[in-house]
Amino acid sequence: NAGVMQNPRHLVRRRGQEARLRCSPMKGHSHVYWYRQLPEEGLKFMVYLQKENIIDESGMPKERFSAEFPKEGPSILRIQQVVRGDSAAYFCASSPTGPDSGNTIYFGEGSWLTVV
Amino acid sequence: GESVGLHLPTLSVQEGDNSIINCAYSNSASDYFIWYKQESGKGPQFIIDIRSNMDKRQGQRVTVLLNKTVKHLSLQIAATQPGDSAVYFCAVNSGYSTLTFGKGTMLLVSP
Repeated sequence: NAGVMQNPRHLVRRRGQEARLRCSPMKGHSHVYWYRQLPEEGLKFMVYLQKENIIDESGMPKERFSAEFPKEGPSILRIQQVVRGDSAAYFCASSPTGPDSGNTIYFGEGSWLTVV
Repeated sequence: GESVGLHLPTLSVQEGDNSIINCAYSNSASDYFIWYKQESGKGPQFIIDIRSNMDKRQGQRVTVLLNKTVKHLSLQIAATQPGDSAVYFCAVNSGYSTLTFGKGTMLLVSP
């Protein structure tokens, strides 16, 4: 039973380049969440998506960051024109139903972005 | 908004001891609480959760206690093992779609 799959696990980008992080939720899960973790910090919520819909993007920076979860394929977190401050671990999580039903949210192993 | 704090950034214990990791939250409307374990270079791993209609829940070697009066949550690990060494986060639901995480407590288990 595959868990939440994220790739790439590690990504190095030069300042100004684009970073694309992919996430495939657990089988049967249609709710996806992205969190960011800075070194020695807890995880910070970024965005919550269902298939083809962004439900809550209150944690997303207003510029350069976008997320999608198309009808087919993985969820994508896209960071344009990366800066050094974007260096962090980005975690995707999924749940079978919405978070208000108290379903456990399971996390992937993360994508570590380093901007040089 | 919700804020979640952990009382100790690092906890050192001997193998076989019981460990207690504490967490405080601010929003009295929070009704779902989760403990995660994160090993270096890995994602958060679900340990145990509890809803606000309970004050205690037990798993295998772990117990979560919830005190809603003082908005305090704790994770107890019995007979701590070296494999328990990790960073432990409490997470609290803080809105329709978000979990608010504390900064984490690093548990160090020495043989």
